[in-house]
Amino acid sequence: SQQGEEDPQALSIQEGENATMNCSYKTSINNLQWYRQNSGRGLVHLILIRSNEREKHSGRLRVTLDTSKKSSSLLITASRAADTASYFCATFDSNYQLIWGAGTKLIIKP
Amino acid sequence: NAGVTQTPKFRVLKTGQSMTLLCAQDMNHEYMYWYRQDPGMGLRLIHYSVGEGTTAKGEVPDGYNVSRLKKQNFLLGLESAAPSQTSVYFCASRAIAREAFFGQGTRLTVV
Repeated sequence: SQQGEEDPQALSIQEGENATMNCSYKTSINNLQWYRQNSGRGLVHLILIRSNEREKHSGRLRVTLDTSKKSSSLLITASRAADTASYFCATFDSNYQLIWGAGTKLIIKP
Repeated sequence: NAGVTQTPKFRVLKTGQSMTLLCAQDMNHEYMYWYRQDPGMGLRLIHYSVGEGTTAKGEVPDGYNVSRLKKQNFLLGLESAAPSQTSVYFCASRAIAREAFFGQGTRLTVV
């Protein structure tokens, strides 16, 4: 069963605006990861945040983690056309499986 | 350092035919995974392995078999392909408690 659930399912914004995506999960975690998938391609790892971290930055990406609410958010600042992709969060379950949500489809309009 | 390599990249099968998809990783990762992704959907786990010689069922294992005879390779077999197995298949590997690395996918069509 899917543990991570991304919200919204789809997001369309103008180039230059910020994009925020949310992820909720159900069980306790050691870390949470965000990935990007360009159409028809494999997933690319963006950022990993550990359960004892509250915020992490990588370039134009900012990830927050709230373990009390079992939720995480991914913020992409100053969006570009190349950011158009689907974004997934993933966590590990007790059997070492990566549990994925259905993803947020982000469209950046020029 | 090639990362995760999947072969083949594309394949068309007739119903009832069999085939094997190969996933190879050169990062000495313990864990390997096979997923399928249907249009507009997220990833669904077929089978996974936590080390050489081990395999386990994921969310949608029916109709598939796997083997991990060597640490670097994870094979996914379809014994008798069905149209419902038309999908894009992704292999991934990772080290303990680390991020996953994905192959570029195999687009399989069963007619």
